[in-house]
Amino acid sequence: NAGVTQTPKFRILKIGQSMTLQCAQDMNHNYMYWYRQDPGMGLKLIYYSVGAGITDKGEVPNGYNVSRSTTEDFPLRLELAAPSQTSVYFCASSYQGSAYEQYFGPGTRLTVT
Amino acid sequence: EDKVVQSPLSLVVHEGDTVTLNCSYEVTNFRSLLWYKQEKKAPTFLFMLTSSGIEKKSGRLSSILDKKELSSILNITATQTGDSAIYLCAVNPGVGGGATNKLIFGTGTLLAVQP
Repeated sequence: NAGVTQTPKFRILKIGQSMTLQCAQDMNHNYMYWYRQDPGMGLKLIYYSVGAGITDKGEVPNGYNVSRSTTEDFPLRLELAAPSQTSVYFCASSYQGSAYEQYFGPGTRLTVT
Repeated sequence: EDKVVQSPLSLVVHEGDTVTLNCSYEVTNFRSLLWYKQEKKAPTFLFMLTSSGIEKKSGRLSSILDKKELSSILNITATQTGDSAIYLCAVNPGVGGGATNKLIFGTGTLLAVQP
C-alpha cells in the first residue's frame, strides 16, 4: 500500500503559468481533499470530493480547479498562477468523511515568482 | 465564523518533561475533534474525540475533550526528542444531524524537545 502519493514534490512557476498537481490513493477511499498550508497557518481546505464525479468547494477555492474521474485520482489544477498561491499543498483521503481520520500525502511545495 | 485556536504557539522543553497542549473551538454543531502530528512532511493522525469518546490514550500520549468548555488538551508524558513536531488540532463542524465534509484546523503548536 503506497497510501496517498503526490507529484511533484517541488515546483517553481512563473506568474501566469498553469500546472496540475497530481494526487492518487490506493486505499479505495471515497473522500479526497486538497489543502494548502501557509507558514504559521493551519491547513485550509481548497476542494474536496465525496466520490468519483462529485467535487465541491472548500474554504479557499479561488484560482483552483479539480476533477475526479476515478476513485483513485484527484488532480488539482492551478490556472494563471499568482504569488499568493505560493504554499505547500497537501492531498488527503478518508474512508468515512472529514469527521474521521484523514490520510495525508507528502505534500507539494510550490513557489510562484 | 467557525474557528479553532491552539495554544501555546510554540514550546521548548527538555527530554523527560510533561507537556500539555491546548485547543479551543467555536463551531456550529460540533461533530469531532482530531489531533494530528506534523513532522517535516505530512500530518499523521493521533486521536479522534467525539461526544461518545471524550478520552483517548496511546502510550505516552493522551487527549481529553471538554465539551462544556469547548476545548481539548493533548498531554505528552516523558517527552523524547522524537516528539518534536507541530501538533495540529482540527474540528469537524457538523450541520443538522450529520457531519460536514470540512475540517477546520488550528494554526498548530510547535513543540521542540531538547536532549
